[in-house]
Amino acid sequence: QIQLVQSGPELKKPGESVKISCKASGYTFTDYAMHWVKQAPGKGLKWMGWINTYTGKPTYADDFKGRFVFSLEASASTANLQISNLKNEDTATYFCARSSGVLLDYWGQGVMVTVSS
Amino acid sequence: DIQMTQSPSSLSASLGDRVTITCRASQDIGNYLSWFQQKPGKSPRLMIYGATNLEDGVPSRFSGSRSGSDYSLTISSLESEDTAIYYCLQYDKYPLTFGSGTKLEIK
Repeated sequence: QIQLVQSGPELKKPGESVKISCKASGYTFTDYAMHWVKQAPGKGLKWMGWINTYTGKPTYADDFKGRFVFSLEASASTANLQISNLKNEDTATYFCARSSGVLLDYWGQGVMVTVSS
Repeated sequence: DIQMTQSPSSLSASLGDRVTITCRASQDIGNYLSWFQQKPGKSPRLMIYGATNLEDGVPSRFSGSRSGSDYSLTISSLESEDTAIYYCLQYDKYPLTFGSGTKLEIK
């Protein structure tokens, strides 16, 4: 069955970096793009961007340009999100989601990143 | 960017009620509209895609419709397990944009 399994929760200090992973199984990884979605505590969903898992080309939403990097370990069917120079407002749950076309059909369980001094 | 205006923000209804949630798109998105259900501590679940298509495994009491730039999610007979937050998402143009969510509770 199709699964996206994300890494565990992270507690970081402001200014640090974090890298979270999303391991796919049950389908051919490079046939489907991977998107990233942010959900701050008690808030709605915000699309961060996507990565073409065939070419490795990332596309970022405007609010996520600069400190955010999408990457792949295609041999391990894994997509990664790295956030540098963490700020308090980065505290959120981050979801990966597979897209069929542009339709987000399968989601990871989410990773809670807490930024606190 | 395309704005998705979702209403109501919260809704309380009784078991067996018919419930409708609406998203209005700020520009034409065709039928590139999906609905997600999110329960506390869980990831969003795809319920409807292409504005009207039911995702596999979703109960038939859920349906989607479109009238012009208004897109609706309807639950024909509310069940207790339907308590959740519902989001619409337009996927016609980048950046993808979500509605602000509707919190559905049982009276």
